[in-house]
Amino acid sequence: AQKITQTQPGMFVQEKEAVTLDCTYDTSDPSYGLFWYKQPSSGEMIFLIYQGSYDQQNATEGRYSLNFQKARKSANLVISASQLGDSAMYFCAMRGLKTGTYKYIFGTGTRLKVLA
Amino acid sequence: DGGITQSPKYLFRKEGQNVTLSCEQNLNHDAMYWYRQDPGQGLRLIYYSQIVNDFQKGDIAEGYSVSREKKESFPLTVTSAQKNPTAFYLCASRQGTGANVLTFGAGSRLTVL
Repeated sequence: AQKITQTQPGMFVQEKEAVTLDCTYDTSDPSYGLFWYKQPSSGEMIFLIYQGSYDQQNATEGRYSLNFQKARKSANLVISASQLGDSAMYFCAMRGLKTGTYKYIFGTGTRLKVLA
Repeated sequence: DGGITQSPKYLFRKEGQNVTLSCEQNLNHDAMYWYRQDPGQGLRLIYYSQIVNDFQKGDIAEGYSVSREKKESFPLTVTSAQKNPTAFYLCASRQGTGANVLTFGAGSRLTVL
């Protein structure tokens, strides 16, 4: 069975500092994708970054980077130079591919608060 | 601009009533999904549809029904059989190429009175 685990219910970070949000996963699929989404208080899920299981390099998108350690089954999100607008819930998700069916599972999320 | 429109944003229902949440997309995506989110929990999959006129149950389908008569539309009905329907409901569609990213609507918050 597939599973995503986010062990940090809440995190605080000072403005302009970097923060790492943890995500571990479990899957038996040989091919999978890992995603991070941001959910502001408005509720909409905003896609941040993607890492494919066969990608050799860690993904980066602006201030977001994904620290992918396949052997440890971890896909941590690193946000550099935190901004007040980064305060939100963050969800790690995984897409499996089995018999042509794409299913996505999500972790329970980490609530990030950026302090001025 | 392309996107997903969910309506209504807020909905109140009396116990015993069925309600239908609308989800429309103009992204030309084949696959669509419905998720439920409860406070302090992640998203749980209710139903998903890979193509028109076909859909599959997710992990928590009991008490819900869907239809997929058009590519653009994937409405969700919350029936009276759903024991605890108060929740935030998110609709998504899947990009069919590359990373297959899910794009989400703004959500619908259902409260049972």
